[in-house]
Amino acid sequence: DGGITQSPKYLFRKEGQNVTLSCEQNLNHDAMYWYRQDPGQGLRLIYYSQIVNDFQKGDIAEGYSVSREKKESFPLTVTSAQKNPTAFYLCASNNGLRYNEQFFGPGTRLTVL
Amino acid sequence: GENVEQHPSTLSVQEGDSAVIKCTYSDSASNYFPWYKQELGKRPQLIIDIRSNVGEKKDQRIAVTLNKTAKHFSLHITETQPEDSAVYFCAATYEYGNKLVFGAGTILRVKS
Repeated sequence: DGGITQSPKYLFRKEGQNVTLSCEQNLNHDAMYWYRQDPGQGLRLIYYSQIVNDFQKGDIAEGYSVSREKKESFPLTVTSAQKNPTAFYLCASNNGLRYNEQFFGPGTRLTVL
Repeated sequence: GENVEQHPSTLSVQEGDSAVIKCTYSDSASNYFPWYKQELGKRPQLIIDIRSNVGEKKDQRIAVTLNKTAKHFSLHITETQPEDSAVYFCAATYEYGNKLVFGAGTILRVKS
């Protein structure tokens, strides 16, 4: 899991601003995922991508957007349409084979001021 | 729908005792069931996983059991230690393995 990096570690945003969270992996993994974690709740899937130039909405995609132009990169944009964006955001990847471990990045804590 | 229920939400045990966390899932097609441990402010780390063709798997003090008929699986930690204190998440695959759905988590506290 040391092959997945997220930046920044902490991010502060004013209401009405878009912000982009970075996720990079050097594991040569095909699939990448974005999760949101709130206190007392599990990880909820925002978007996922199983191959370059393709991605699917997860359970809570509203107010978020992603791109997958390169295999190693899967940035997440939190738009002003996301009404409650303060949360811990985790990126993950796996080799794209079914039923295999997902490796997580260290996370980005986003706070809206 | 896609749902994984996890119980209990918090669990306190005395050091040396055993801890059991249970999860149920809704999709009979689920075939992979990982367990993750997350320490405060850190990333989730896989501690054990099980596939549908296996009923039980052990790794030192940790074991997982799976009952596909009843659609539930459990994590067992024996001889608990203070460093086992963390949040534990179960998960199950949905959409033919293309995504994981996580339980809400269990806060485990091991008292010394």
